[in-house]
Amino acid sequence: DGGITQSPKYLFRKEGQNVTLSCEQNLNHDAMYWYRQDPGQGLRLIYYSQIVNDFQKGDIAEGYSVSREKKESFPLTVTSAQKNPTAFYLCASSTGQPMNTEAFFGQGTRLTVV
Amino acid sequence: KNEVEQSPQNLTAQEGEFITINCSYSVGISALHWLQQHPGGGIVSLFMLSSGKKKHGRLIATINIQEKHSSLHITASHPRDSAVYICAVRYNQFYFGTGTSLTVIP
Repeated sequence: DGGITQSPKYLFRKEGQNVTLSCEQNLNHDAMYWYRQDPGQGLRLIYYSQIVNDFQKGDIAEGYSVSREKKESFPLTVTSAQKNPTAFYLCASSTGQPMNTEAFFGQGTRLTVV
Repeated sequence: KNEVEQSPQNLTAQEGEFITINCSYSVGISALHWLQQHPGGGIVSLFMLSSGKKKHGRLIATINIQEKHSSLHITASHPRDSAVYICAVRYNQFYFGTGTSLTVIP
């Protein structure tokens, strides 16, 4: 079955360490997205990619980096420059066009930095 | 940018009650999603709508494109429905509401 997989579901890291969150899809979707959720707030866009080898900053990209070397994969690295990395991270994917066709969401990764 | 507003923010219901959660958005969209998030848990996609109405079990989702409004209904609510329900609209990227926290009391 096709789908989008985020791993791990829960992740703990020490302050100052970089950490990479995985997002893989086997849906042949062109577009992939990373969002962050903080308590009491809506999900906010970190980065998105509409095509392989291309990605764009979202609203809160500072302290994060991404790569899109393969269509199936869009890993997010939370760097030590991110001041408040503890949050819930959500990956999504969608077909590029038309816009009202399918979109899928990962289950999310809850990152805790101690 | 698309502003997405959900109401109510918090909702407590007795088991068996009919529940409605509302979502309004500001800009024309291509699709709207309803998502469910259990406490400490991940995201589950419930519906994707671009028009009309969809039903899955006790859940019903409707959308009115002209009024830029969608509703999620839960019939015969059950304590296991307790979760945060999130509305997301797709307009180039996804824009999310802040969620409705539902508690169903036995």
